[in-house]
Amino acid sequence: GENVGLHLPTLSVQEGDNSIINCAYSNSASDYFIWYKQESGKGPQFIIDIRSNMDKRQGQRVTVLLNKTVKHLSLQIAATQPGDSAVYFCAEKKTYKYIFGTGTRLKVLA
Amino acid sequence: SQTIHQWPATLVQPVGSPLSLECTVEGTSNPNLYWYRQAAGRGLQLLFYSVGIGQISSEVPQNLSASRPQDRQFILSSKKLLLSDSGFYLCAWSASLSSGSGGNTIYFGEGSWLTVV
Repeated sequence: GENVGLHLPTLSVQEGDNSIINCAYSNSASDYFIWYKQESGKGPQFIIDIRSNMDKRQGQRVTVLLNKTVKHLSLQIAATQPGDSAVYFCAEKKTYKYIFGTGTRLKVLA
Repeated sequence: SQTIHQWPATLVQPVGSPLSLECTVEGTSNPNLYWYRQAAGRGLQLLFYSVGIGQISSEVPQNLSASRPQDRQFILSSKKLLLSDSGFYLCAWSASLSSGSGGNTIYFGEGSWLTVV
């Protein structure tokens, strides 16, 4: 069946360091991938996306990498800040459906 | 700009009581609409999605139902709640492919906390 999963449930990072959150997906037919940030008690917020015909996309302090050979997606956050503390989800889109992974909690240590 | 609203924000209901969560989207036409559920500390489970008025696709068999009586209105219902229905319910929308805007990103509302007691 379809599965989008994350390698690490919790990631602790020192403030100012770079963070890397990983995600594995199983559906090679997915054409679009998205990363979301969810703060406690709120709905997920869009961070960055990437189409399946790309392998890298950069935003402000964030970079998404897509490796279709091994079905792996990662989110890199540069110079991690306390405000980056949240749960991060990857999602894959196939036609109308968006399937989410279980999430990784990012803790930023002062 | 587009906005999405869902209510109520918090709900405490007894087992066996009915449920109605509402969601509306503004600033767009013919959106794709979604209901997700998130158990505490867990991921997002797709419950229903709709690509048009009266068109509902169910992803998980359960005692919940969804309806789309108007283009930008999506309702999640139950006739009799179970304890296992407790969770954080999220409504979301994405632009339709025919809108010409790409229709790829999905946007979420602020969620509704449901506690069944």
